[in-house]
This record gives sequence, structure tokens and C-alpha cells, in this order.
Amino acid sequence: QSALTQEASVSGTVGQKVTLSCTGNRSNIGNYEVGWYQQISHGTPKTVMVGNSLPSGIPDRFSGSKSGTTASLTISGLQPEDEATYYCSTWDYIVIGVVFGGGTKLTVL
Amino acid sequence: QLHLQESGPGLVKPSETLSLICSVDGSSINSGSYWGWFRQPPGKGLEWLGNLYPGGSPYYISSLQSRVTISGDTSKNQFSLRMISVTAADTAVYYCARVQPADYYMDVWGKGTTVTVSS
Repeated sequence: QSALTQEASVSGTVGQKVTLSCTGNRSNIGNYEVGWYQQISHGTPKTVMVGNSLPSGIPDRFSGSKSGTTASLTISGLQPEDEATYYCSTWDYIVIGVVFGGGTKLTVL
Repeated sequence: QLHLQESGPGLVKPSETLSLICSVDGSSINSGSYWGWFRQPPGKGLEWLGNLYPGGSPYYISSLQSRVTISGDTSKNQFSLRMISVTAADTAVYYCARVQPADYYMDVWGKGTTVTVSS
């Protein structure tokens, strides 16, 4: 069982806005920024968001936010190439380690 | 530009030791960043194994703490993962990554290397 909770699957059509969520608690999301990682077909993870900061080279249709112990990744204007599994992660000061969500499989219809 | 590359044997026998190296190109492992190892078993999600802290003690996932060692070699600008007494459950793709110390997020990943534990 993962320390962070993500939807197992989300789907959307091209051009639609979708939001993925990542729920934790005070010892992790409540105190640290959340990283979001895109993994296409079990390939190398790619960092697409850190908190609400966009890494270099990531399209600005990706945005991030956090409220309390839940972080969100929003993709505005969904594209076919966004189809992937998305993982969230952060530090946990009780576990004393990096924790991940179980991943959300995003399907672009 | 920072590149990380994992290397090591793709096949390890049960009860033996898994040893992987992450070669870092484009930044010194003494630069102030942290360096981590991760894995992904077939069909499953990502799992953190541990972080190397320059000048400090590594942190390991508690469930593997007795079997895992992460160390750095500044002369070769690489860091390594050693896991003893492996079983089939350790079969996975293993990744190394740079971990930013401010909020422990990974900004650069290696491509990963597949390790199969089988006799």
C-alpha cells in the first residue's frame, strides 16, 4: 500500500482539462513540495512538475497546486502524447524517506 | 547537461549480491545535491531505496535497511548500490536519480537498468 493515494485511472479527450490528485498527510505533503513524474510505457520517469514550478522543457499546459495534504496536477488542453502513468512523490519525516503514490494511468481518448 | 547512467549485471542468482553503479556526467556528486536509487518491479510502481548525502550518512528505506548499502566514489564521480541476499522479489528496473535537497524531488533520472534474480 502506497503512502500517497492517487486515482488508479483517469481519462480525457484531446483538448480537455484533467486533474490528477495525490493525497497524503501532515508528515509528507503537508510539509513538503510534491514532485510529479510522467512515465510513458514503463520508460524512464520524467519530472513534469515540482510544486507549482514547471521544469525546463515541460509544456505550460501542465500546472501544479497543493491544498493542505492534497496535491494536484492539472493538464489543460490534453494531448495524445500526455498518455502515461503519473506518479507523485515527496519526503516523509516520519518514514524518513521518499514516498510515492501508486500512480495514475492517464488515457487520452 | 546532467546525465546519469546505471550499469551492472542484468542477471543475479538468488541469495547473491546485486551491485549497480550510477555514473554521473555534468555535475559533481559533491555539488550539494543528493543522489538516490529507485526501483520498479514488473507491473508495479516506483519505490525509493535510499539517498546518498555528500559528507553525511545515507538514508535507506526501512524495509531494506539490513540489505542495502549506497556509497559514493568522488574520484570516479559515481555512486553505487549494493543489495545482499537477493530474491526473485528484487527483480526490477533500477534507476538512479539526482535528488534536490530542498524538497527531495528528483529532477534528473538515469534510463534504468533491468535486473533479474533467477538461478
